[in-house]
Amino acid sequence: KAGVTQTPRYLIKTRGQQVTLSCSPISGHRSVSWYQQTPGQGLQFLFEYFSETQRNKGNFPGRFSGRQFSNSRSEMNVSTLELGDSALYLCASSLLGALQETQYFGPGTRLLVL
Amino acid sequence: AQSVTQLDSHVSVSEGTPVLLRCNYSSSYSPSLFWYVQHPNKGLQLLLKYTSAATLVKGINGFEAEFKKSETSFHLTKPSAHMSDAAEYFCVVSENTGFQKLVFGTGTRLLVSP
Repeated sequence: KAGVTQTPRYLIKTRGQQVTLSCSPISGHRSVSWYQQTPGQGLQFLFEYFSETQRNKGNFPGRFSGRQFSNSRSEMNVSTLELGDSALYLCASSLLGALQETQYFGPGTRLLVL
Repeated sequence: AQSVTQLDSHVSVSEGTPVLLRCNYSSSYSPSLFWYVQHPNKGLQLLLKYTSAATLVKGINGFEAEFKKSETSFHLTKPSAHMSDAAEYFCVVSENTGFQKLVFGTGTRLLVSP
């Protein structure tokens, strides 16, 4: 089975722009979660989607949004980019998003905001 | 809220010697605990997980962890370090919000010298 894929792998944007990142989960997985990884804040939960519905959201401003499509693929969008948004954005998928399930992570998208 | 504390930011060992990475958790219920590993410029890979089935959990690549409720600990061990073990290790708890939301520790960087 193919793993979680994320595109693009690297991205450079300037302040004020917006960006869309894409994640394709493992086939059959319906839950997709997003995490932000920075040297200062570590790994932080952004949001989780299941059956096109956001079920859980972390403590991030409204500039961070996401969606999930009927085929479980997910996108996250960051509007009005700030320098502090530079980070590795990781996507993870699991079957149903239940507490004890394993989340499988993609390689991440590294975003640099100049 | 659930949380994990990784007691060491860096651990240095020689190849062939034992590895001990320490993690304490805080949870008001029986937690789901995980150890993930991240190699440079790569995504996160699950090493092992505890979901209350057995207190001693065996994972991949010779790693294991023991859940000790009395000490609220979930330390990761390996009898003999290999150069390829050099990476960052994250202790993770699944927050009880009804659906999966992972809370990561700050990470421990394992350095392995020849």
